[in-house]
Amino acid sequence: RKEVEQDPGPFNVPEGATVAFNCTYSNSASQSFFWYRQDCRKEPKLLMSVYSSGNEDGRFTAQLNRASQYISLLIRDSKLSDSATYLCVVDRDNYGQNFVFGPGTRLSVLP
Amino acid sequence: EPEVTQTPSHQVTQMGQEVILRCVPISNHLYFYWYRQILGQKVEFLVSFYNNEISEKSEIFDDQFSVERPDGSNFTLKIRSTKLEDSAMYFCATTPQQNQPQHFGDGTRLSIL
Repeated sequence: RKEVEQDPGPFNVPEGATVAFNCTYSNSASQSFFWYRQDCRKEPKLLMSVYSSGNEDGRFTAQLNRASQYISLLIRDSKLSDSATYLCVVDRDNYGQNFVFGPGTRLSVLP
Repeated sequence: EPEVTQTPSHQVTQMGQEVILRCVPISNHLYFYWYRQILGQKVEFLVSFYNNEISEKSEIFDDQFSVERPDGSNFTLKIRSTKLEDSAMYFCATTPQQNQPQHFGDGTRLSIL
């Protein structure tokens, strides 16, 4: 099983749609989880951290299921500017200094 | 908002030459990282650095690579005897503490000819 796996994508959705991305990780000892977005040929930018109780930031909601080793990101009312690749990031150990990036899921929001 | 700064933005080098990529971390950040991303592939961890020494490194980070923070500001990645397959984007990232989200620089595109 790969360390971090994500929905293969791409996702093509109309403006205003709700879209959900899934991510699974293999190391049950992982403690830190993040969602980043990456625009083409740019650096990854933090979208949000993922907390055990789930968390929301505006149109974005992240969920963590430790038992299933599964993370999700929900985007509501998607905008054209949400078009990007979404990266799931998990720490490889619980020292928080070695992070594994998933391969990413590309989202295109269409007018 | 404070930024991680990387130079150069693009480096073109002949195979076999040495390159040094530079990063200026955010001033109160203590943990530093290098990642690489080959075109069309995922972001890969290379090395983490704290308190002037390597904390962790990946299997990619072999004897060809080294890092240092020689003057307390620049955090550098040196690649000796570059190979064609070293062509990639190299990102520096920093955090104030471990387990915190990382702030990325905008990367150095390394092209080996």
